[in-house]
Amino acid sequence: DAKTTQPNSMESNEEEPVHLPCNHSTISGTDYIHWYRQLPSQGPEYVIHGLTSNVNNRMASLAIAEDRKSSTLILHRATLRDAAVYYCILRPQDSWGKLQFGAGTQVVVTP
Amino acid sequence: AAGVIQSPRHLIKEKRETATLKCYPIPRHDTVYWYQQGPGQDPQFLISFYEKMQSDKGSIPDRFSAQQFSDYHSELNMSSLELGDSALYFCASSLAPGPYEQYFGPGTRLTVT
Repeated sequence: DAKTTQPNSMESNEEEPVHLPCNHSTISGTDYIHWYRQLPSQGPEYVIHGLTSNVNNRMASLAIAEDRKSSTLILHRATLRDAAVYYCILRPQDSWGKLQFGAGTQVVVTP
Repeated sequence: AAGVIQSPRHLIKEKRETATLKCYPIPRHDTVYWYQQGPGQDPQFLISFYEKMQSDKGSIPDRFSAQQFSDYHSELNMSSLELGDSALYFCASSLAPGPYEQYFGPGTRLTVT
């Protein structure tokens, strides 16, 4: 299975944007790029996903490189509630759907 | 909106006892996933079900078994519990298998003493 690489942690000030990078150089053509986050003491929460084009939703934006070997999750205005571990996960189109969590990025938001 | 329900939320068992964890998916979701998260670790996939059949299997010990019932709820049965089984157990559901969004429950915290 293709793997992802993320920084261990990132720090941001409240109300500033946060750009979370993810490298996935061995991604295959049918792998979707998913992002989940896990707030302290809670279950993981879906954030966004994409295949080739950039995607926006109410929570975040996902920018996918043209060669798809990397992507960036963008939180436009960080709030204290966005402090969480963010996971970048590749999911094959033809898989049964399990999520393979790697080492995510701990986001710290300071007021 | 309805969410994934897990019960119990907390469970304390002794070594060698058995435990049963229950998961009630979001209505109309026919796919259920189980994950285990040890202290300070990332969630690890255990097993999944689609339309009451096992669809995928991860690093689930032989002492554990699971099934999905006709109403789509799922149960994870754990026998001969060991101290290392102490963890958070999450259930997630989705509309179908594949790269669809998964919705997670609040988890069951199992403590084995």
